[in-house]
Amino acid sequence: QSVLTQPPSVSGAPGQRVTISCTGSSSNIGSGYDVHWYQQLPETAPKLLIFDNSNRPSGVPDRFSGSKSGTSASLAITGLQAEDEADYYCQSYDSSLRGWMFGGGTKLTVL
Amino acid sequence: EVQLVESGGGLVQPGGSLRLSCAASGFTFSSYGMSWVRQAPGKGLEWVSLISSSGGSTSYADSMKGRFIISRDNSKNTLYLHVNSLRAEDTAVYYCAKYYYDNSGPFDSWGQGTLVTVSS
Repeated sequence: QSVLTQPPSVSGAPGQRVTISCTGSSSNIGSGYDVHWYQQLPETAPKLLIFDNSNRPSGVPDRFSGSKSGTSASLAITGLQAEDEADYYCQSYDSSLRGWMFGGGTKLTVL
Repeated sequence: EVQLVESGGGLVQPGGSLRLSCAASGFTFSSYGMSWVRQAPGKGLEWVSLISSSGGSTSYADSMKGRFIISRDNSKNTLYLHVNSLRAEDTAVYYCAKYYYDNSGPFDSWGQGTLVTVSS
């Protein structure tokens, strides 16, 4: 069981908006630690998608956005495209475990 | 362009050891903390270990403490992970990753991974 909880799967039709939640606790997200998001396409290494809760690295489309509130964070994807079909992971630091934690991952299916 | 290339994976028997390497290029290696992250077949990402830019500070996930040792050679732009007392549950693709900031933040660059299979 991951310290950061994500839904196992989400889906949406092309053009729609989907959100992926990441629920933590007072020892990680709730302590003010930043949340980062990664996209992993099939058979490839993870790619940084959102950092420091809501910032996009250069080259990441503005269809991807992140937010954080309390002990949770969310990744939103608008204008869903077939190429967005991938696994998405949230990440934050946990002060109790004294290390980086990843969410269990969410598989996005574009219908 | 940042490049991280892992090597050293393979098939090893339970209780065995391996040394994984990550050759870095395209950035000032000695200025950035580095990490290892693994992914078991069909499973999610699991952070393994991190090392500061100087190598003076290290940290490990609880399940790896005492069995894994992270190190780096800044003169060779190379990161290492010595994995000992391997168990079947250590079977995974091991990725090296670079910090976005000098010694903190997200992992902004990842290697392609090296597969470690623990089996008799």
